[in-house]
Amino acid sequence: KNQVEQSPQSLIILEGKNCTLQCNYTVSPFSNLRWYKQDTGRGPVSLTIMTFSENTKSNGRYTATLDADTKQSSLHITASQLSDSASYICVVSDRGSTLGRLYFGRGTQLTVWP
Amino acid sequence: EADIYQTPRYLVIGTGKKITLECSQTMGHDKMYWYQQDPGMELHLIHYSYGVNSTEKGDLSSESTVSRIRTEHFPLTLESARPSHTSQYLCASSVERGLSYEQYFGPGTRLTVT
Repeated sequence: KNQVEQSPQSLIILEGKNCTLQCNYTVSPFSNLRWYKQDTGRGPVSLTIMTFSENTKSNGRYTATLDADTKQSSLHITASQLSDSASYICVVSDRGSTLGRLYFGRGTQLTVWP
Repeated sequence: EADIYQTPRYLVIGTGKKITLECSQTMGHDKMYWYQQDPGMELHLIHYSYGVNSTEKGDLSSESTVSRIRTEHFPLTLESARPSHTSQYLCASSVERGLSYEQYFGPGTRLTVT
């Protein structure tokens, strides 16, 4: 069964600190992995997308890494801001899907305190 | 910024009522999707469409129905709402980018059935 597991489930950090969120997946055959940010009551917004040939990608203060061999990804947030408070969702797509169907993790709920 | 819209954003309705959740996108995307998301849980695909007059059920069984008469419009209908339908409903559309599909999400509709 294709699955995406994220950890931690929730995280509280102080403004200005760094943090790293984890994602493990069993989706096969692997096509790409995305990290989304979802603010409360809003739809997810894409942060990064990586194919199997990429092992790191940055988007401002967000840096995602991918190890396709161990099927793990991480999202590192640098110098956190209050606006970073949101749910961060790891999403994996399989290569065999022409639909573009995605497998979603449950997300890590990040809270940044002043 | 994705041009995908959902109305209403919030809806509280009594049991047995018929409701239609609207979704529209102005990007000309062929593929569109409906997801259901409960608090703290992953998104579940309930319907998708490859294009006009094409609709399919997703991974999660749903009593809702969808239609795709126009490319830009993908409404979801519940003939008789029940408290078990209380959830957040997210609409998305996708476009092919290289080897993968980029999905854009609407802001969601928070449905409460009393």
